[in-house]
Amino acid sequence: GDSVTQMEGPVTLSEEAFLTINCTYTATGYPSLFWYVQYPGEGLQLLLKATKADDKGSNKGFEATYRKETTSFHLEKGSVQVSDSAVYFCALTNDYKLSFGAGTTVTVRA
Amino acid sequence: NAGVTQTPKFQVLKTGQSMTLQCAQDMNHEYMSWYRQDPGMGLRLIHYSVGAGITDQGEVPNGYNVSRSTTEDFPLRLLSAAPSQTSVYFCASSTSGSYNEQFFGPGTRLTVL
Repeated sequence: GDSVTQMEGPVTLSEEAFLTINCTYTATGYPSLFWYVQYPGEGLQLLLKATKADDKGSNKGFEATYRKETTSFHLEKGSVQVSDSAVYFCALTNDYKLSFGAGTTVTVRA
Repeated sequence: NAGVTQTPKFQVLKTGQSMTLQCAQDMNHEYMSWYRQDPGMGLRLIHYSVGAGITDQGEVPNGYNVSRSTTEDFPLRLLSAAPSQTSVYFCASSTSGSYNEQFFGPGTRLTVL
C-alpha cells in the first residue's frame, strides 16, 4: 500500500536558520503530495501541495518540489522564525485517502 | 463559514462505555473522513465517506462505526471503548478529487480508563 516516510525529529533550530525536512513516498499511480502543519493545540492545516511531477508547492516561505524520479517531496525554508515552531506532516493522496508520515516536530529558538 | 466542527473537545470514558464523536461541515464537501493521531504514528485513517449514504473502512476501522445520512454530518461511534482507543481524533472534509486539500476540525482528545 501507499506509505510516507519522513525524517524523525525533533528538530531544534535557531531563528533565521535553514530548515529541511526530508520526505519520501511509496505509491502506485500518480499521487498528489502535501505538507500539512499542526500548531500546538490545533488541527492540521494545509501548508503546500503539488499534484504532478516537477511541480513546486510554496507558501509562507516554505517550498517543496515533487520529484518522481527520487519519490521525494522535501520541505525547505530559508530562514525560520519562532512562529514556525510546529509539527510538520508529509502526506500523499491516492483515490481520496490521505496517507501521512509520522510527523516532525520543529522548535525554533529566538 | 464555521468550516469543520467537532464535539466534544475532550472526553474521558471508562472501558466498555460507548459514545459518539460528532463532526459537521458547512462547506458542502462530498468527502469526509476520520483519523486518529497517536505519538510517532502520524494520522491514521479510520473510516471515510465519499457522499451521503456511502462509507468505507480505512486503515484502522476496528472498534468504530460510522454513518453518513446527510452531506453535513459524519459521526464516529465507539461501540465499546478500550484503552487502546485513547487518542486524538480528527475529522476532515474535502471536495471531490484526490488532489484537493482536506480541511481538518480542531480534534477531540479521548481518554479511555
